[in-house]
Amino acid sequence: NAGVTQTPKFRILKIGQSMTLQCAQDMNHNYMYWYRQDPGMGLKLIYYSVGAGITDKGEVPNGYNVSRSTTEDFPLRLELAAPSQTSVYFCASGEQGGVDTQYFGPGTRLTVL
Amino acid sequence: DQQVKQNSPSLSVQEGRISILNCDYTNSMFDYFLWYKKYPAEGPTFLISISSIKDKNEDGRFTVFLNKSAKHLSLHIVPSQPGDSAVYFCAATSGGSNYKLTFGKGTLLTVNP
Repeated sequence: NAGVTQTPKFRILKIGQSMTLQCAQDMNHNYMYWYRQDPGMGLKLIYYSVGAGITDKGEVPNGYNVSRSTTEDFPLRLELAAPSQTSVYFCASGEQGGVDTQYFGPGTRLTVL
Repeated sequence: DQQVKQNSPSLSVQEGRISILNCDYTNSMFDYFLWYKKYPAEGPTFLISISSIKDKNEDGRFTVFLNKSAKHLSLHIVPSQPGDSAVYFCAATSGGSNYKLTFGKGTLLTVNP
């Protein structure tokens, strides 16, 4: 199993550009999450999904959108990138009823200039 | 308002000694607590957890203690090894939250040979 994969690993965007961060998992997990980690800070939840077709906002959803058309994929869309979105983005997946089994991807480092 | 606080940004210990990492929380709805370990350029990995119905959970060299009345938990690593050098995040969740995690800012542990 590849676990949770994220692409790209690094990206530099100009202010106002858009992009999609890809996340895929091959563990057949229902639950998927997007977090961001700013320097010196903990991870903050952006969006999450409890199954295909179901998404909900986390703590810091502004400026982002998500979709969950399949169990495997949970892309995060940035529209009109801003410097405040410079961060490291982590995708995670987990089993229903198993908070211990939340697995994280390696992260995408995004810089908005 | 930080609901999970790790007040020590860094901790340095000698190999073979005990490492104690602390975490405080303010939300009384939290009923499950986790510690994650993170190496540079990698995603967090689950280390150990504890339910609010327990006050101690042990897994090899790692023990987590929970003091509900003080809203405080700690991670003990005995004996500490150089490979334990990493950032440790405390996280909390509640049963009705779809396993959304609230993270502390992390503590950088350095174990010196």
